[in-house]
Parts: sequence; structure tokens; C-alpha cells
Amino acid sequence: AQSVSQHNHHVILSEAASLELGCNYSYGGTVNLFWYVQYPGQHLQLLLKYFSGDPLVKGIKGFEAEFIKSKFSFNLRKPSVQWSDTAEYFCAVRGNQAGTALIFGKGTTLSVSS
Amino acid sequence: DAGITQSPRHKVTETGTPVTLRCHQTENHRYMYWYRQDPGHGLRLIHYSYGVKDTDKGEVSDGYSVSRSKTEDFLLTLESATSSQTSVYFCAISALDWGSYEQYFGPGTRLTVT
Repeated sequence: AQSVSQHNHHVILSEAASLELGCNYSYGGTVNLFWYVQYPGQHLQLLLKYFSGDPLVKGIKGFEAEFIKSKFSFNLRKPSVQWSDTAEYFCAVRGNQAGTALIFGKGTTLSVSS
Repeated sequence: DAGITQSPRHKVTETGTPVTLRCHQTENHRYMYWYRQDPGHGLRLIHYSYGVKDTDKGEVSDGYSVSRSKTEDFLLTLESATSSQTSVYFCAISALDWGSYEQYFGPGTRLTVT
């Protein structure tokens, strides 16, 4: 079965620090990968996605992610975080078992102090 | 934001009572999903629909049923609510046209079963 692992449960950073959130998936075939963000009390919003082509994907709000096929990874990065980036971040992969549904990791909570 | 609404937004109910949650979309997307979000578990798929009257089970479907009689509405029913079904429920939609697999999420319904 496909699965997604997010290595960090809770990350605490100061403003202007760099961010990298790890995400690994288990599936050997073609994948579609996503990062979603959930601000406190809000619904999930799509940050960025990878379908094919350039493995370095740029998303909204200065976020980017790199797809490394050999490592089954899709890590999220941001050079300089802001207090407003405080949120929960979810990595997801399109599953091949439940139709088109996404399989989500358990999430990483990011807390940014000003 | 995608045109997705969920109702009710909050509900408290007693164990053993039936509960129906509604998801309504204005995007005319073919695919609709119900997820539950629980701390430490991320989002888990309950049921999904790939067209009117076409539904299938997800990872955590026990105790839940769904119906889709119109493209725009996807109902989730807890036939006899239990405390383990206390959760936040999110509806999502996906177009899947042109190979676009990303999903867009509604605002969520917070359900408490006492």
C-alpha cells in the first residue's frame, strides 16, 4: 500500500530562519505529489504540486519543493519563514488504490516566533 | 477559493443518533471526497464519488455511508454516531480534467459525539 511519511511532527523556528520539511513516499511508479497548508482554524490549501518535468517546483508564498525520485522524497523548503507561516503542513501523494484520492502524511506543525 | 460549502459547520450529537453532513460545490467537478482529520493521523479518506450515484469506499469507511444524487451534492451519513467519530470532516473536489489531480477542500465540519 502507498504511504507518506513526514519526519517532523513539530518544527519551531524564528522568523527569517530557513525551513525544510521532509516527506517520503512509498510507491515505485509515476507519482503526483502535493504539499498542502492548513492555517489555524482554516481548510487545507494547495501550496504546490508536482506532476512531471522540472523536479524543482515553485509554489505560492515563496515555498518550493524538490522531487528526488531516487530518494522517494518531496521535501518542502522556504529560505526565510515569517510568523504568518505558522500552520500545519501536509504532504500527499496520489494513490492508485482508491481511485483518484490522495494519501496524506500525518502533518507537520510549524510554529514561527517573531 | 473553490466554491465548496459544508453544512453544518459545527454539530454536537449524542451517541447512537444518525447524522448527515452535506457538501455542496458550484464547480461542476466530477469527483468528490470525504475525509476525516484527527490529531496524529492527518487526513484519511472515508468515501469518494466519481459521478452521480457512483461511490466507493476509502480507508476508514466503517460506520459511514454516502450518497450523491446530484453533481453538486455529496452527503455523508453516520448511521449511528459513536464517540470515535468525533472529528473534523472535510469535503474535497477534483476536476481530473487534463490530468489535474489536485483536490480543493471545503471549510470543514467539526462533529462532536457525546
